[in-house]
Amino acid sequence: SQKIEQNSEALNIQEGKTATLTCNYTNYSPAYLQWYRQDPGRGPVFLLLIRENEKEKRKERLKVTFDTTLKQSLFHITASQPADSATYLCALEGQAGTALIFGKGTTLSVSS
Amino acid sequence: SAVISQKPSRDICQRGTSLTIQCQVDSQVTMMFWYRQQPGQSLTLIATANQGSEATYESGFVIDKFPISRPNLTFSTLTVSNMSPEDSSIYLCSVERAGKGTEAFFGQGTRLTVV
Repeated sequence: SQKIEQNSEALNIQEGKTATLTCNYTNYSPAYLQWYRQDPGRGPVFLLLIRENEKEKRKERLKVTFDTTLKQSLFHITASQPADSATYLCALEGQAGTALIFGKGTTLSVSS
Repeated sequence: SAVISQKPSRDICQRGTSLTIQCQVDSQVTMMFWYRQQPGQSLTLIATANQGSEATYESGFVIDKFPISRPNLTFSTLTVSNMSPEDSSIYLCSVERAGKGTEAFFGQGTRLTVV
């Protein structure tokens, strides 16, 4: 069955640095991959979607890459701020083409 | 975008009882999804609810334990039946903006504690 791994449960960085989060997947070739942000006590909020034919996508300080050969996506936050502290989830469409399947998430802490 | 209202936001329930969670969307959607998020874990899909048909459950989830209603294109309920402490989780409903391949929107979640 398909498997999604976010290889860091927690990431601590200093304000102003670039945070890089990793999402790996196996046993599947998704047509797209998504990244979400989740704050404590809240539902996930969509950030970016990248399709299999796109190598990179940007939105303000966010950048996502998608390497279908390595079966990996990297999520970057440049010039990080304490307000970026949250849990970041990657998600793939279900293998049956239904709902999203989520990784466990990486909790980012940005210190000032 | 879609705005999802989910209630209750939290509840503390006695074991053996049932709780029904409501999810209201501000626009018509074909599919609604119910997820569970156990402490420190990611989201696990419980079932997909289509209007006018029975919900489709994922492996490990059954209708008797998690009955779902979908009476129209903007509303759904999830019931957690005969609860035990292991059911303590956050339950979330979700919709996709424009179908498969588009971003998903989530309610704020229902934090359930079973004592």
